[in-house]
Amino acid sequence: GDSVTQMEGPVTLSEEAFLTINCTYTATGYPSLFWYVQYPGEGLQLLLKATKADDKGSNKGFEATYRKETTSFHLEKGSVQVSDSAVYFCALGNRDDKIIFGKGTRLHILP
Amino acid sequence: EAQVTQNPRYLITVTGKKLTVTCSQNMNHEYMSWYRQDPGLGLRQIYYSMNVEVTDKGDVPEGYKVSRKEKRNFPLILESPSPNQTSLYFCASRGGRGQPQHFGDGTRLSIL
Repeated sequence: GDSVTQMEGPVTLSEEAFLTINCTYTATGYPSLFWYVQYPGEGLQLLLKATKADDKGSNKGFEATYRKETTSFHLEKGSVQVSDSAVYFCALGNRDDKIIFGKGTRLHILP
Repeated sequence: EAQVTQNPRYLITVTGKKLTVTCSQNMNHEYMSWYRQDPGLGLRQIYYSMNVEVTDKGDVPEGYKVSRKEKRNFPLILESPSPNQTSLYFCASRGGRGQPQHFGDGTRLSIL
């Protein structure tokens, strides 16, 4: 079945470091791809999305590019801040219109 | 403000005592879902609804019930809660096919 695999956490970085959180997927056709962020004590919020190959989603300095050839949607940010500490979820919307989530990656940013 | 509202946010109760977690959205969304979040397991879908009076099982429906009598409301019912249902629960809604989910702030349930 369709699935999303993202890197295990926690990921710990210093402030202003470069961030990459890997996400790969398995799905037939052309799923929509999403990154969500969950801050402590809150629900998930949509961070960015991409709906077709080579689309780049971006928001709040984060970016991810839909790579059909590698079935990937890696999340990147050039310079992280302490306020980016959260749990990040990669997700896809498949052809049956089901949203499938990865298990989440916890990110800690040290000042 | 567009939002999904869940209540209660926290609940500690005992095995076998029926409880209901309410969920309401003000975005006129067709789709609504319930998830549970557990350490190491990520988010798992319990039930979903594509419209009023249309509900279907997700990945982990055992021990739960839902209803969708009105478009805006989608309560989660635990008829006879057990300790393995201790978890963090999220309600979500979305506007249609391919659209992203909007999540509530979560309900932390502890079943003793």
